[in-house]
Amino acid sequence: EVQLVESGGGVVRPGGSLRLSCAASGFRFDDYDMSWIRQVPGKGLEWVSNVNWNGDTTRYAESVKGRFTISRDNAKNSLYLQMNSLRAEDTAVYYCTRGPILPFPFDIWGQGTTVTVSS
Amino acid sequence: EIVLTQSPGTLSLSPGERATLSCRASQSVGSTYLAWYQQKPGQSPRFLIYGASSRAPGVPDRFSGSGSGTEFTLTISRLDPEDFAVYYCQQYDTSPWQFGQGTKVEIK
Repeated sequence: EVQLVESGGGVVRPGGSLRLSCAASGFRFDDYDMSWIRQVPGKGLEWVSNVNWNGDTTRYAESVKGRFTISRDNAKNSLYLQMNSLRAEDTAVYYCTRGPILPFPFDIWGQGTTVTVSS
Repeated sequence: EIVLTQSPGTLSLSPGERATLSCRASQSVGSTYLAWYQQKPGQSPRFLIYGASSRAPGVPDRFSGSGSGTEFTLTISRLDPEDFAVYYCQQYDTSPWQFGQGTKVEIK
């Protein structure tokens, strides 16, 4: 079964840091670009960051550029998101997703992990 | 940056009725890299449509997508009780890969 399982969410104070992890299974991980997408509770979806199959190319939304770092370890079938200088507006459910890899978009989603930034 | 605007915000319909959801892009979406997702309360989004009109594996044929350029449509031919949810369009032609704000399909 193709599966993505996130972990690492929690409550953190403004200015703090958190590292999210995503464990992939059921597919050849290093064949795919991977992304993080977030959703404020009750609101819409926001793409956060993307990394290509071998980790050489990364992309970030303007809202997180310079604060978040995406990485992957293909030997461990794992994706990561290091989040620094966290703000209240980063509070959201963070989803690990497969893709996009053309012609397909974000075709597999994890169950999400919740990040709450609060004092 | 391509901005996607979905309409209407909420669609109130009865089971068995036809639903038509619109997604308008601020500039042309190249190669029709436009996707649709369904999200039910407490669940992750589910991928429905890619390339504007191709159904993802396992998606019922009552779901269909159409459009090109800046105008796209998701049609649900006959609403099943399990189809009441929020639907998002998303372009994956150009980074940043933006989503529309969503259309909620609710039971009338």
